[in-house]
Amino acid sequence: QQKVQQSPESLIVPEGGMASLNCTSSDRNVDYFWWYRQHSGKSPKMLMSIFSNGEKEEGRFTVHLNKASLHTSLHIRDSQPSDSALYLCAASTQGGRALIFGTGTTVSVSP
Amino acid sequence: DTTVKQNPRYKLARVGKPVNLICSQTMNHDTMYWYQKKPNQAPKLLLFYYDKILNREADTFEKFQSSRPNNSFCSLYIGSAGLEYSAMYLCASSSLRNTGQLYFGEGSKLTVL
Repeated sequence: QQKVQQSPESLIVPEGGMASLNCTSSDRNVDYFWWYRQHSGKSPKMLMSIFSNGEKEEGRFTVHLNKASLHTSLHIRDSQPSDSALYLCAASTQGGRALIFGTGTTVSVSP
Repeated sequence: DTTVKQNPRYKLARVGKPVNLICSQTMNHDTMYWYQKKPNQAPKLLLFYYDKILNREADTFEKFQSSRPNNSFCSLYIGSAGLEYSAMYLCASSSLRNTGQLYFGEGSKLTVL
């Protein structure tokens, strides 16, 4: 059973629009969430992390976390063609040293 | 320098033959990981080294071996490749201060025929 579920599988966003991605863990021991971005042909790179309930903003990217429901979301405002990529959500437990990844959401920003 | 290097980038292997993949990092990270990535699937954690301690996932315990001769290098060894081993193998490293920030290599694409 996949412990980290992401939705939607893919998303087409117009340039300048808002992209919203979701991620939920089915493991009640999960405490921390990360978002990674992988451009085509490249390796994944960490985008943002969130450990506490609430919201965290970095530039055009905002992450929300609801620890009670183990749900996190990533929002990209004013989407640019360079945001086209696979977005991977990852989770770990407190004290855990390894990340468990979801299958990802492919975002395509259309000019 | 935040570089993780993997060799080879592409590997063609015959069924039943061994495969050895190499990873190196120059960031003095204490933890190194190996993930297996198949199309449309999540990267699957195979094993990781914390310092010299190897942790292998239960469902892949017998399929993959690894060694870490020093802090910078880590290998992934398949004793007898099967068709199901065809995948991208991603190596990553992280430091104790920020265990969630993994630095990934470009990957080694293994094709088993």
